[in-house]
Amino acid sequence: EVKLLESGGGLVQPGGSLRLSCATSGFIFSYYDMSWVRQAPGKGLEWVSTVSGRGDSIVYADSVRGRFTISRDNSKNTVYLQMNSLRADDTALYYCAKDSAAATRAFDYWGQGTLVTVSS
Amino acid sequence: QTVVTQEPSFSVSPGGTVTLTCGLRSGSVSTSHLPSWYQQTPGQAPRTLISSTNTRSSGVPDRFSGSILGNKAALTITGAQTDDESDYYCVLYMDRGIKIFGGGTKLTVL
Repeated sequence: EVKLLESGGGLVQPGGSLRLSCATSGFIFSYYDMSWVRQAPGKGLEWVSTVSGRGDSIVYADSVRGRFTISRDNSKNTVYLQMNSLRADDTALYYCAKDSAAATRAFDYWGQGTLVTVSS
Repeated sequence: QTVVTQEPSFSVSPGGTVTLTCGLRSGSVSTSHLPSWYQQTPGQAPRTLISSTNTRSSGVPDRFSGSILGNKAALTITGAQTDDESDYYCVLYMDRGIKIFGGGTKLTVL
């Protein structure tokens, strides 16, 4: 059974930093791209970033490029999102998502999310 | 800036058929955008319905189908059930690995 469990969310002041983690199990982690998707309160879903299975290809949404860094540790089956220079509009529920086979570029499994609140 | 468009809301009667669409503010959607569809009910994580235009995910009922209609991707629900009342999101795959969500469609079944 595929499982994704996010952690690391919380309340942070504007300009602050936070590191999210997503621990996974139930699949061969290094074979799959992993992504972060966020959802601001009462709003729609927004793709944030994707890292390839080997960690050598990374893409970011324009809204976070230069502030957020995605990474992965294939020995720990875990993907991370380092978030710096946080702003109020980064407040959201952050989901970790497993990408399906490379050819489809879709997400096939989702975690339950971890809430990040940026406020003074 | 690329914008993916979806109807903000739609309504369907139980047993009816509804088609939700996913377009580009500038341009046409094709299979090369690998459109995928997700269902989300309040307080829950998204659920994957369709990938690569028309491939249903495991366990998704066959009343859900995906296609390209004209210049848009489409999600059709045939024989809608009250359980289908949810928010539906499409995603398009763009250049350089970027993925863009549509704004979502709130589907009411009544």
